[in-house]
Amino acid sequence: GAGVSQTPSNKVTEKGKYVELRCDPISGHTALYWYRQSLGQGPEFLIYFQGTGAADDSGLPNDRFFAVRPEGSVSTLKIQRTERGDSAVYLCASSLLGRGPISGANVLTFGAGSRLTVL
Amino acid sequence: DQQVKQNSPSLSVQEGRISILNCDYTNSMFDYFLWYKKYPAEGPTFLISISSIKDKNEDGRFTVFLNKSAKHLSLHIVPSQPGDSAVYFCAASPDAGGTSYGKLTFGQGTILTVHP
Repeated sequence: GAGVSQTPSNKVTEKGKYVELRCDPISGHTALYWYRQSLGQGPEFLIYFQGTGAADDSGLPNDRFFAVRPEGSVSTLKIQRTERGDSAVYLCASSLLGRGPISGANVLTFGAGSRLTVL
Repeated sequence: DQQVKQNSPSLSVQEGRISILNCDYTNSMFDYFLWYKKYPAEGPTFLISISSIKDKNEDGRFTVFLNKSAKHLSLHIVPSQPGDSAVYFCAASPDAGGTSYGKLTFGQGTILTVHP
């Protein structure tokens, strides 16, 4: 597609429930990133995929969070046993190469995000 | 531990004047810096960037300055326009030429309001 698409745009759930957030990157982009933006803060890195594999998942806060990208395109972020502290906007980004140089067409392009509210 | 800081939560400027947004960082391993702009209900969009080997990069009305010794960068917008009103984030990359370049560390953001 023309841009990074994220669904749902809004998700309200109850504490303890399971949630899936979907990201459809720009066609042809090999790298995909998940970030989380809490209220009043900047985006925080969660995980990065190069192709189908998670190249760096050091930002995932705990083992309730998991992400997959089985065919190297669409990615799903999965959150188990949601907690109120998980409430945030979850941003997905993609880039062309997944490696440097970081310039021109290779910058990260972000989607509009999925706003998750855990009651 | 906030490695990238934007100490001004908001900035208000008159149309036509200069807007200066500031950003400080602590990690000397950062080798590339970017500014993103964000409108409500949209994702951040890339604005301008600078490599750590440079001290200035200009693109139209936007100029980014980097002072490595002070670990400080700034974004100048001149002349400012009402359409520039948005949240501005600075971000830093630890690996501009490698595989971790997209692992960005963001500041908290500065809300810029440009009044007509």
